[in-house]
Amino acid sequence: GAGVSQSPSNKVTEKGKDVELRCDPISGHTALYWYRQSLGQGLEFLIYFQGNSAPDKSGLPSDRFSAERTGGSVSTLTIQRTQQEDSAVYLCASSSQAYEQYFGPGTRLTVT
Amino acid sequence: AQSVTQLDSQVPVFEEAPVELRCNYSSSVSVYLFWYVQYPNQGLQLLLKYLSGSTLVKGINGFEAEFNKSQTSFHLRKPSVHISDTAEYFCAVSATKGGKLIFGQGTELSVKP
Repeated sequence: GAGVSQSPSNKVTEKGKDVELRCDPISGHTALYWYRQSLGQGLEFLIYFQGNSAPDKSGLPSDRFSAERTGGSVSTLTIQRTQQEDSAVYLCASSSQAYEQYFGPGTRLTVT
Repeated sequence: AQSVTQLDSQVPVFEEAPVELRCNYSSSVSVYLFWYVQYPNQGLQLLLKYLSGSTLVKGINGFEAEFNKSQTSFHLRKPSVHISDTAEYFCAVSATKGGKLIFGQGTELSVKP
């Protein structure tokens, strides 16, 4: 079946611009996670949605980062006023009751 | 809070040799433990997980790991590696089932002929 998909696969933006990254989880998965992977910081948790509960935003690095999940399915991660340190691969994952997280291929964000 | 330390950033081995990738964690509560693999230019794939029960867990591609609570370790092993095992391996912990993962810094396994 279809896995987690993310779009775009690559995004180059100028410093100061806003970007939106999209994640389509596996159908029926109730939990959705965002992580980012960078050379300096490794793999970092950003935010986590579980069903209708309030999201766990404890990993968001600044108030320039936000995410929403519409209809319990698709999620969008928004970064406002991008900075060079935001350059990273942004990974989305989803899981069902089995608690195994399935990861998407990621979006590589480059801020110039 | 939880943290994960992968003791080796790079592990070079020859094909058909055994390998052990080391992982230690720190947590004040019980944790769930995972190993993920990332092949070049690909996403993360789950190798194996420990949720409860037997401390020796077997995963895909011939890998296994042993949970040692007293030593707070979850080392990954394979008795005979292949060239195709060349990848980056990440150890991760979660304090709750289905909760966020805290990852180690990764170990780059390089298998040479």
